[in-house]
Amino acid sequence: QVQLKESGPGLVQPSRTLSLTCTVSGFSLTSYGVSWVRQPPGKGLEWIAAIWSGGSTDYNSALKSRLSISRDTSKSQVLLKMNSLQTEDTAMYFCARYPLFDYWGQGVMVTVSS
Amino acid sequence: DVVMTQTPVSLSVAIGQPASISCKSSQSLVGTSGKTYLNWLLQRPGQSPKRLIYLVSKLDSGIPDRFSGSGSETDFTLKISRVEADDLGVYYCLQGTHFPDTFGAGTKLELK
Repeated sequence: QVQLKESGPGLVQPSRTLSLTCTVSGFSLTSYGVSWVRQPPGKGLEWIAAIWSGGSTDYNSALKSRLSISRDTSKSQVLLKMNSLQTEDTAMYFCARYPLFDYWGQGVMVTVSS
Repeated sequence: DVVMTQTPVSLSVAIGQPASISCKSSQSLVGTSGKTYLNWLLQRPGQSPKRLIYLVSKLDSGIPDRFSGSGSETDFTLKISRVEADDLGVYYCLQGTHFPDTFGAGTKLELK
């Protein structure tokens, strides 16, 4: 069945770079895209970035300068990098099948703190 | 970006009673294909979001027909005909017609 699972460090220092991995199963990254969505504690959902099945990428314009999304189809993984982390980046980070948003991962909590 | 405005912010409903959530978009969600990419998601406490409805009114597999979606252009509604305990959580509308995808702020459904 379709599954997505996020992984990454739970704690990152301010100004450092965050690297998150979304490992998928049950579908091919060349057939569906993957998107990253984040949710600060107690707040709503924010779309961050996506990589399409063809490999093209899209970014939230407010975060674009700090983001990079890529994939390794042989490993069924999508990688998100965000640099210059600030405390406001503290959030639960989800990956979801894109553009359908029909399957989501369980999420990974990222805390930005010194 | 398309702004999605959900009302109410919170909703307290007794078991067996109906519930209705509104979502209004700042521009028409009818795409160039003629399709309207409006989804409804439910995020139960401590869980990731789950899609309930796509293309305005199509129920995802396994979603009970107590749920229904309707609307067009800029005005959309999610209805639950008879609320059950498993329905509590935060409901989000999500548009995928215009870049970037945008979410409503959420409606918290609580049991009375």
